[in-house]
Amino acid sequence: SQKIEQNSEALNIQEGKTATLTCNYTNYSPAYLQWYRQDPGRGPVFLLLIRENEKEKRKERLKVTFDTTLKQSLFHITASQPADSATYLCALANAGNMLTFGGGTRLMVKP
Amino acid sequence: ETGVTQTPRHLVMGMTNKKSLKCEQHLGHNAMYWYKQSAKKPLELMFVYSLEERVENNSVPSRFSPECPNSSHLFLHLHTLQPEDSALYLCASSPRVFGTDTQYFGPGTRLTVL
Repeated sequence: SQKIEQNSEALNIQEGKTATLTCNYTNYSPAYLQWYRQDPGRGPVFLLLIRENEKEKRKERLKVTFDTTLKQSLFHITASQPADSATYLCALANAGNMLTFGGGTRLMVKP
Repeated sequence: ETGVTQTPRHLVMGMTNKKSLKCEQHLGHNAMYWYKQSAKKPLELMFVYSLEERVENNSVPSRFSPECPNSSHLFLHLHTLQPEDSALYLCASSPRVFGTDTQYFGPGTRLTVL
């Protein structure tokens, strides 16, 4: 069955460092991959979308990579700040299909 | 604000009560979704509507009953719930029901079933 895996353990990093979160998938050939941010008690908020034919996408301090051979996406936040502390969700979809969300990874940036 | 509102924000109900959750989107989208988010579990897609027609029903118990009277409003009617139904219920909308489309989420309703 299709599976999306994100590290369920919290990632703790120091302010100013680069945070790297991983999204792995199996039995899936997604055409699109999206990353969302979710703060406690609130709905997820869209951050970035990357297509299967794109290797990398950037937006300000955010960078997403998509490796269809490794079946993996990496989400980077450079120069991290305490305000970046949240849970980050990846979501995948085949062409024409709906998104399926991973379980999310909680990021804690310490001052 | 994302343009998707949900009411109420918090709800406590007994197992014999009947209540409804409301979602409204002001984005002109054609697709609306209900998700359930329990502690330490992924988002679970419950129902999907496209142009007021239900297109997905992920084996959700009949004690949850959705209603989409028009493309801007979505309801989730609840009756005889169980304590394990306590969770954050999220509504979302998107232009279409496709993976390229970003989903816009409401703030959620925190439901507690006693």
